[in-house]
Amino acid sequence: EDQVTQSPEALRLQEGESSSLNCSYTVSGLRGLFWYRQDPGKGPEFLFTLYSAGEEKEKERLKATLTKKESFLHITAPKPEDSATYLCAPGGSQGNLIFGKGTKLSVKP
Amino acid sequence: DSGVTQTPKHLITATGQRVTLRCSPRSGDLSVYWYQQSLDQGLQFLIQYYNGEERAKGNILERFSAQQFPDLHSELNLSSLELGDSALYFCASSLSGAYGYTFGSGTRLTVV
Repeated sequence: EDQVTQSPEALRLQEGESSSLNCSYTVSGLRGLFWYRQDPGKGPEFLFTLYSAGEEKEKERLKATLTKKESFLHITAPKPEDSATYLCAPGGSQGNLIFGKGTKLSVKP
Repeated sequence: DSGVTQTPKHLITATGQRVTLRCSPRSGDLSVYWYQQSLDQGLQFLIQYYNGEERAKGNILERFSAQQFPDLHSELNLSSLELGDSALYFCASSLSGAYGYTFGSGTRLTVV
């Protein structure tokens, strides 16, 4: 059975305090690993897609990395506007995304 | 604006009723995916359509059904509604799954 686990469930950081979010997965027929950001009451917003172990992608203060069983989202010097829920979603063999429950990030000024 | 349009934004209805949620995909996208997000739950995949044909099914209840029309918009029909069906329902579209999925802003369904 396909499984996705994100940790921690919640993370509180001070502005400028860097950290990492983890996504562990077991998915058969993996078709990419997607990261999304979701604000309360809104639809998920696409951040990155990673396809192979060792691949890295960056966008502003965010960097995503991928291994065979895990992906990390590194947040460098976060700002309050980075507060959101970050969702990891491996692509399954049927072509759909399998979402984790997310990490709720709160960045205090 | 993501380019994926969902209507209505909010819906309040009584148990036992039937509702229809509508999704217009981003221009050029052929695939439409429906997801349910309950309170404190992750996004659960319901069903996928590609160019009018059902492509994949997830944890979709028998009381729920969907279709994709020739103009590529999609409708999700929910019937015999129960309190537990209260959730955010999201539609996403893509040209090809490998190139990312764009989500709409969702329909918040409240069953009372």
